[in-house]
Amino acid sequence: GNSVTQMEGPVTLSEEAFLTINCTYTATGYPSLFWYVQYPGEGLQLLLKATKADDKGSNKGFEATYRKETTSFHLEKGSVQVSDSAVYFCALPYYNAGNMLTFGGGTRLMVKP
Amino acid sequence: DAGVTQSPTHLIKTRGQQVTLRCSPKSGHDTVSWYQQALGQGPQFIFQYYEEEERQRGNFPDRFSGHQFPNYSSELNVNALLLGDSALYLCASSPEFGARTDTQYFGPGTRLTVL
Repeated sequence: GNSVTQMEGPVTLSEEAFLTINCTYTATGYPSLFWYVQYPGEGLQLLLKATKADDKGSNKGFEATYRKETTSFHLEKGSVQVSDSAVYFCALPYYNAGNMLTFGGGTRLMVKP
Repeated sequence: DAGVTQSPTHLIKTRGQQVTLRCSPKSGHDTVSWYQQALGQGPQFIFQYYEEEERQRGNFPDRFSGHQFPNYSSELNVNALLLGDSALYLCASSPEFGARTDTQYFGPGTRLTVL
């Protein structure tokens, strides 16, 4: 099956700093790629997704570009806020048939005022 | 429009017991998946149900079983609980079985503690 590796945390930033969380994947073909976010005490919410190579997903100031050459889908935000503090998960389909997901280990982001 | 709901929120069991967790999918969704999220880790896929049948299964033992009802709601059953089964159990639903670009919508989870 497909797999994903993301940078380990925690990542601690000051408010308005630039954020990058690295994600690389191993897959056959070109599956959709996802970033999910988990706020404290809550389930997972879709943050953004890209369905084909070179697509850029974006939401709430976060962006990620599907790079097939480097098999990467790095998450970026130009200016983080305290409210962005959460755990971020990169994910892709477990198999190329179906939409069950395999997740990275998660990266905890802490933003300080 | 209600999202994915799960019950109970928290559960405490002892080793060897059995547990049943419940999930109602988002309105209009007919496919339900279950995931186990151990503390500090990413979710691991357990299995997926569509049309009341298990369609895909991850690397979990037969102690983990499930069911889907005609109204698309689902149950996860775990028998002979082990300490290592302590985790957050997440249910996710999606509107179209097998659609690779489909987004999965997650519920808030059930926190299971095995003592």
